Amino acid sequence: AQSVTQPDIHITVSEGASLELRCNYSYGATPYLFWYVQSPGQGLQLLLKYFSGDTLVQGIKGFEAESKRSQSTFNLRKPSVHWSDAAEYFCAVGLNTGFQKLVFGTGTRLLVSP
Amino acid sequence: DTAVSQTPKYLVTQMGNDKSIKCEQNLGHDTMYWYKQDSKKFLKIMFSYNNKELIINETVPNRFSPKSPDKAHLNLHINSLELGDSAVYFCASSPLAAGRMEQYFGPGTRLTVT
Repeated sequence: AQSVTQPDIHITVSEGASLELRCNYSYGATPYLFWYVQSPGQGLQLLLKYFSGDTLVQGIKGFEAESKRSQSTFNLRKPSVHWSDAAEYFCAVGLNTGFQKLVFGTGTRLLVSP
Repeated sequence: DTAVSQTPKYLVTQMGNDKSIKCEQNLGHDTMYWYKQDSKKFLKIMFSYNNKELIINETVPNRFSPKSPDKAHLNLHINSLELGDSAVYFCASSPLAAGRMEQYFGPGTRLTVT
């Protein structure tokens, strides 16, 4: 069955430090891959997406992610974290088996320390 | 110029009541969704509509009934509310086009059943 795993429930990063959030997925075909961010009390905002082509994709707010199909990973990175990046981050796999459906990971809460 | 809007933002009600949540998108998308986010932030799809036609129903109790009067609106009606229905409900929409599986989310409706 398709699944998305985000191994880290919480991550704390110092402001200005680099960030990497991990995402592993299990899917037989070529999936669409997404990262979303959810600030407290808000809906989900799309950070970036990947389907094909260059394995490094750029997103909004200075985020990027790299797809490594051989490892089934789609890790999210940012070179320098800002306090406003504190939020919940969700990785998702898009399934296109006759209809569109996203399967979400369980999320990683990012805390930013001064 | 809100893309996906939901009303109400908060809903507090007693067990056994019937309530509705409304969703509207002005993105011109063909596909709309309802998701439930539980207290542990896990997101699970409930329903998907494409051009007013139900295409995904993810083993949701039949107390939940979605209705799509047109492709810009997808409402969720819940009968006989139970304590376990307390959650945040998100509406989302997506274009139905090749390479375009990303979904755009509303701000959520926090439902509390007492």
